[in-house]
Amino acid sequence: GENVEQHPSTLSVQEGDSAVIKCTYSDSASNYFPWYKQELGKRPQLIIDIRSNVGEKKDQRIAVTLNKTAKHFSLHITETQPEDSAVYFCAASIGGNQFYFGTGTSLTVIP
Amino acid sequence: GAGVSQSPSNKVTEKGKDVELRCDPISGHTALYWYRQSLGQGLEFLIYFQGNSAPDKSGLPSDRFSAERTGGSVSTLTIQRTQQEDSAVYLCASSLAPGYYEQYFGPGTRLTVT
Repeated sequence: GENVEQHPSTLSVQEGDSAVIKCTYSDSASNYFPWYKQELGKRPQLIIDIRSNVGEKKDQRIAVTLNKTAKHFSLHITETQPEDSAVYFCAASIGGNQFYFGTGTSLTVIP
Repeated sequence: GAGVSQSPSNKVTEKGKDVELRCDPISGHTALYWYRQSLGQGLEFLIYFQGNSAPDKSGLPSDRFSAERTGGSVSTLTIQRTQQEDSAVYLCASSLAPGYYEQYFGPGTRLTVT
């Protein structure tokens, strides 16, 4: 089955700096890549997603890039704010059936 | 409207006992997923239901795990003869349909096997 690796496991940045989280996947048939944010004690929530027919997608301060050839995708958060502090999970899916998640990145934004 | 709900929120059980975890998806959502989240780990896919189709059970870790979804709505995850390694948070999610749709997660059930 699919194997998703996520790095780094922890990330600390100063407020206002950018944060980048990277994921790799193993199954070239995967074609949908969502990112979820999980704040402490809360349930995961979708923040952005990308399909394999595009290379980049942006939503305000958040962007995701996809390199199908290398089988990796990344989350970019610019102008980080303390409320961005959370655990971020990447996932890969073939057509939105099974979803395989990475192990998470704990992001801390230092005021 | 109401989100995904799960019950119980916490469950402590003795090793060897059976447990049932319940998930109420968002009304009208045809796809339902179960995941397991162990401490410091990501979300491990367990099982997926789509409407009245046969579920995708490929993620279930052993035959002690089973799940059903009655009437295309409520789902129950059953773990028989629980083991300490089953201790985790069990998350349920639903989406409008399978495919490129957002999954809405429930609050989870924290299972502790003593």
